[in-house]
Amino acid sequence: GENVEQHPSTLSVQEGDSAVIKCTYSDSASNYFPWYKQELGKRPQLIIDIRSNVGEKKDQRIAVTLNKTAKHFSLHITETQPEDSAVYFCAASIRGNSGYALNFGKGTSLLVTP
Amino acid sequence: ETGVTQTPRHLVMGMTNKKSLKCEQHLGHNAMYWYKQSAKKPLELMFVYNFKEQTENNSVPSRFSPECPNSSHLFLHLHTLQPEDSALYLCASSQEAGRDQPQHFGDGTRLSIL
Repeated sequence: GENVEQHPSTLSVQEGDSAVIKCTYSDSASNYFPWYKQELGKRPQLIIDIRSNVGEKKDQRIAVTLNKTAKHFSLHITETQPEDSAVYFCAASIRGNSGYALNFGKGTSLLVTP
Repeated sequence: ETGVTQTPRHLVMGMTNKKSLKCEQHLGHNAMYWYKQSAKKPLELMFVYNFKEQTENNSVPSRFSPECPNSSHLFLHLHTLQPEDSALYLCASSQEAGRDQPQHFGDGTRLSIL
């Protein structure tokens, strides 16, 4: 099936620094790219998403960029805080048998140290 | 957020047992999903229901049997499971099973097969 590659698998930054997580996808028909944050023992929560008709979207300290030509998209977190520590998943919409679904990356474990 | 509720939160069962996982969403959505989350693997889509009709079965073994009696409820019936089926099973919902639809997740059921 179509894959979503996510890097790095682990990321450690100091509080206040920026964190960047990158994903690539292979299905040129993908047009929706959400990012989820999953804290230990909790549900994945949607933090930001982007559609293929825009190249960048920002929400306070979080931004996502999309390069459709290169088929990659990135999550940027600025001024990181310890509560940003979690696993982050990217996803790309894919065409299934009779509709569309999401294909997820393997996740990035982000640790923000005080 | 209690939009998507899953029960039970934890389940331990033997390989010969039969049990069911339950998911209920209070968001007025029409699409519901089952995902399997194993350590160090991407979220794996199992089943998709759109307006109570199954639209995706991602090559899931027949020992997993989904049921969607209405748009608000989704079940996953389990029988004769294997140790490798131990994982976190996540339910999600979205407005419709469309290309750019955010999915909202439940807290999951942590399943352990003895």
